[in-house]
Amino acid sequence: IVLTQSPGTLSLSPGERATLSCRASQSVSSSSLAWYQQKPGQAPRLLIYGASSRATGIPDRFSGSGSGTDFTLTISRLEPEDFAMYYCQQYGSFGQGTKLEIK
Amino acid sequence: QLQLQESGPGLVKPSETLSLTCTVSGGSISSSGYYWVWVRQPPGKGLEWIGSINYSGKIYYNSPLKSRVTISVDTSKNQFSLKVTSVTAADTAVYYCARLWQTAGGNYFDNWGQGTLVTVSS
Repeated sequence: IVLTQSPGTLSLSPGERATLSCRASQSVSSSSLAWYQQKPGQAPRLLIYGASSRATGIPDRFSGSGSGTDFTLTISRLEPEDFAMYYCQQYGSFGQGTKLEIK
Repeated sequence: QLQLQESGPGLVKPSETLSLTCTVSGGSISSSGYYWVWVRQPPGKGLEWIGSINYSGKIYYNSPLKSRVTISVDTSKNQFSLKVTSVTAADTAVYYCARLWQTAGGNYFDNWGQGTLVTVSS
């Protein structure tokens, strides 16, 4: 299964809402979809699993949704520390990532 | 608190074998419900799953790498290891070890090591 993320880069300001997309090449179980955040020089961190469940310690401004082939990560109100790379994952496949940068 | 730490040479010559070890602390590598994995990330690029192993030695490899990769586990040392043979410059990457949490619905990488950069160069 190929995961395609869009946009490649998203430029927003702190306080704004971010919507990141992950599209699967074929329908997948929503319970198998996860999202990760990666900051420069750091390992990825699990944010969302099962498409919509937040991992331990993840703030509630992060939310996930979707089913079938289309999944979304939403950050309701961007904090400065949220600007990073984001990857979706389904079993052994990762999307190519979305860079969330400060506008 | 679970911690994972990669160790091994940071520089490997072309055609030689890359060898890394991940030491797990703060938890047992023999815990059920988890696999232990290697993921790599070439400089400036995305994440690539290499393979997974559980405490009993059940292994899964990513197909494109399967012919060159060996993953093993040593439960007595709470460690697991990665070997990649016949390396080329394309194998230059940050190599991460991680824990793969298995659920009924999916598998998630829920704990990661800090990563180690391995450069393939003569």
